[in-house]
Amino acid sequence: ETGVTQSPTHLIKTRGQQVTLRCSSQSGHNTVSWYQQALGQGPQFIFQYYREEENGRGNFPPRFSGLQFPNYSSELNVNALELDDSALYLCASSLPETSGRPTGELFFGEGSRLTVL
Amino acid sequence: SQKIEQNSEALNIQEGKTATLTCNYTNYSPAYLQWYRQDPGRGPVFLLLIRENEKEKRKERLKVTFDTTLKQSLFHITASQPADSATYLCAPLNQAGTALIFGKGTTLSVSS
Repeated sequence: ETGVTQSPTHLIKTRGQQVTLRCSSQSGHNTVSWYQQALGQGPQFIFQYYREEENGRGNFPPRFSGLQFPNYSSELNVNALELDDSALYLCASSLPETSGRPTGELFFGEGSRLTVL
Repeated sequence: SQKIEQNSEALNIQEGKTATLTCNYTNYSPAYLQWYRQDPGRGPVFLLLIRENEKEKRKERLKVTFDTTLKQSLFHITASQPADSATYLCAPLNQAGTALIFGKGTTLSVSS
């Protein structure tokens, strides 16, 4: 158990719809990252939030957006869903840097499996 | 573009043997490299992190090496057990400590 919880675990949407996925971070973790994992692929970085600000973004279009709240929980929003958005969406929290060096370890949730029809 | 390759999609070995998994990267100079374990339908679980100035890191039956000249990391599981069967992912990190992309993973099957 990593202490990171995601909801919903599974959902089905149709093309063009919008979806919101939620993540509750492990206590004390002020950094949250979101990843997309397509079937048979490794996770790909969508973006990262630190103290409620986006501080890194991967190669994903603007219709992928996020929020981090004061309690460090987080949301991933995807607008105008496309068939290729079908994937496992993973949230990962991490510890603050120590001595200026990132600890790097990501604590992943179990993911939200999105199917777009 | 940055590319991460893990040597094979599947690796089958006998219990008690050493499993060796390979991660190669191109167009990238990671400051750190991590290895994760992922079971079917679950999120990845962190195993080890190695820094660019470290040659080798060990944790119990696990050993990771990092060769920045070859742009390669090797991940070893000694005295493998059926419970080690899972997919293993490598993830180079940039200077900010962000894993932008993971490898596809190698699925290890350990038979008794």
